[in-house]
Amino acid sequence: EPEVTQTPSHQVTQMGQEVILRCVPISNHLYFYWYRQILGQKVEFLVSFYNNEISEKSEIFDDQFSVERPDGSNFTLKIRSTKLEDSAMYFCASSATTEGSSPLHFGNGTRLTVT
Amino acid sequence: AQSVTQLDSQVPVFEEAPVELRCNYSSSVSVYLFWYVQYPNQGLQLLLKYLSGSTLVKGINGFEAEFNKSQTSFHLRKPSVHISDTAEYFCAATRSGGYQKVTFGTGTKLQVIP
Repeated sequence: EPEVTQTPSHQVTQMGQEVILRCVPISNHLYFYWYRQILGQKVEFLVSFYNNEISEKSEIFDDQFSVERPDGSNFTLKIRSTKLEDSAMYFCASSATTEGSSPLHFGNGTRLTVT
Repeated sequence: AQSVTQLDSQVPVFEEAPVELRCNYSSSVSVYLFWYVQYPNQGLQLLLKYLSGSTLVKGINGFEAEFNKSQTSFHLRKPSVHISDTAEYFCAATRSGGYQKVTFGTGTKLQVIP
């Protein structure tokens, strides 16, 4: 079964540094998402992306965050200047449509630790 | 907007015993409901989903859930758990009809005791 793949699985960075988290969504999916899960807390929506633009973003997704689909396969999340509170597990997801009946397929996540 | 509540943060249960993980939702519009499972160090895997129709939905690994509109609940059940079911389970909701922002509950850790 096709999978969403994320790299790296772990990333440690110093406060103030830029990080790029990478994702390869399922190849025939058109809608892409980033979610995050701070340790011990719920999974939170960050952003959705379609047709090379952001379709929705949460209040968490401030100017420090950006997303990009640089080529036909990758989908990236960039955090411009990391803060301690950005430490979390970041999940990429994709779906074939935006219908709620089309479930999200999640990657295994990237654990980001900001020191 | 919708919200999802999972009141039990941890549920210990003996192997081969039945289990129920509770989920309640609130929404001013129709929703689709999901249960996801997260095994240690892995991503979220879809267990089952309710879209419409029969209120009892069956998923993978022997799990099932029942949609109860009057009680706004979508509890997950399994008649006999295995050690391998030890994981965190997330109830989730999304607005029905062309919308994909999923709202998750806080998760329930199921600990199966041998």
